[in-house]
Amino acid sequence: ETGVTQSPTHLIKTRGQQVTLRCSSQSGHNTVSWYQQALGQGPQFIFQYYREEENGRGNFPPRFSGLQFPNYSSELNVNALELDDSALYLCASSLPSGGATGELFFGEGSRLTVL
Amino acid sequence: AQSVSQHNHHVILSEAASLELGCNYSYGGTVNLFWYVQYPGQHLQLLLKYFSGDPLVKGIKGFEAEFIKSKFSFNLRKPSVQWSDTAEYFCAVNGGDTGRRALTFGSGTRLQVQP
Repeated sequence: ETGVTQSPTHLIKTRGQQVTLRCSSQSGHNTVSWYQQALGQGPQFIFQYYREEENGRGNFPPRFSGLQFPNYSSELNVNALELDDSALYLCASSLPSGGATGELFFGEGSRLTVL
Repeated sequence: AQSVSQHNHHVILSEAASLELGCNYSYGGTVNLFWYVQYPGQHLQLLLKYFSGDPLVKGIKGFEAEFIKSKFSFNLRKPSVQWSDTAEYFCAVNGGDTGRRALTFGSGTRLQVQP
């Protein structure tokens, strides 16, 4: 167990809808990263949050947005869902140095299906 | 943009066989290298990492990896696999476009160990 919890574990949406995924980081970790893992692929970096601000972003459109709260928990929001957004969304927490060292602690993910 | 290639998508071995999983990365600058493992039904977890120094690094559960800079490779090895090693293995690197904030993952290798 990593101490990183994500909710919901599974959800189904239809094209055009919006979704919010939630993540509670491991105790003491103030940096949260989100990754998208499509079927048969490795995780792809979406963005990272540190001190409630976006601290790096991968190659994802603006309809992917996030928040980090004072307690370091985080949300991933996806607007105008597309079929290709169907994937496992992983949250990973770390200390600030964890980003430099790669010491990420992953949750079990939220599996999103877009119909 | 940097990329990570894992050449074997699915590997089937018998118990006690030796394992080598290939990983190559594209970025020519300074990188940190990692292997993550995902056991069935569990979260991604760090298996081992390389930052600098001895290019042969040892991780948990008897795994090791060798960094060969001239070949841009970081292959994972284990002399004798066990049924419990059945999992998906991901090679990852940070550095490059997103600096050390993000990991770039390969597409993964599914290892199936038969008893």
